[in-house]
Amino acid sequence: KAGVTQTPRYLIKTRGQQVTLSCSPISGHRSVSWYQQTPGQGLQFLFEYFSETQRNKGNFPGRFSGRQFSNSRSEMNVSTLELGDSALYLCASSLVGHGNTEAFFGQGTRLTVV
Amino acid sequence: QKEVEQNSGPLSVPEGAIASLNCTYSDRGSQSFFWYRQYSGKSPELIMFIYSNGDKEDGRFTAQLNKASQYVSLLIRDSQPSDSATYLCAVNPISGSARQLTFGSGTQLTVLP
Repeated sequence: KAGVTQTPRYLIKTRGQQVTLSCSPISGHRSVSWYQQTPGQGLQFLFEYFSETQRNKGNFPGRFSGRQFSNSRSEMNVSTLELGDSALYLCASSLVGHGNTEAFFGQGTRLTVV
Repeated sequence: QKEVEQNSGPLSVPEGAIASLNCTYSDRGSQSFFWYRQYSGKSPELIMFIYSNGDKEDGRFTAQLNKASQYVSLLIRDSQPSDSATYLCAVNPISGSARQLTFGSGTQLTVLP
């Protein structure tokens, strides 16, 4: 069974540009959550998508957005990149239903903004 | 004040000892609690989840939850060098859900051979 796949693994962008990251969840998982991990702030929740709808959102500016497709694959977009957006971006997929308590993380996308 | 606080590391224990990792949370509505392990350069992997008061054991790992004290801990018995990693505590306001996790800053554990 394939795990959570994130692409690309590494990205270098220039300040002011925008970037799109992709996450393919485990087959059958319909919930995808995105997290940002930095040395200073740790792992922070960005947003969660389920059935193509954003269900929850963390405390991030509107430059961070996402979407989910009918096959549950998700993308997140960051516009007008800032140096502080340099981070490891992780997505996690979950089944949805009573007792399904495990979130599986992808390997992440390492974004560097220069 | 951070919503999820973990005891500051790094924590070093000798091989074979018990490692004790602690976590407190501020939201009394939290229902689900998780411990993740993250090796350097890797993504987090789930060790255990717990959502009832008391102890939950899985092999060498025991999670303890006290909702009244807003406290959750992880004990690692017979610690091995391969347990050396950062341990992340995470909470969720929904019982039985891991869809929106609030993480602590992590405790770095080193098990000395």
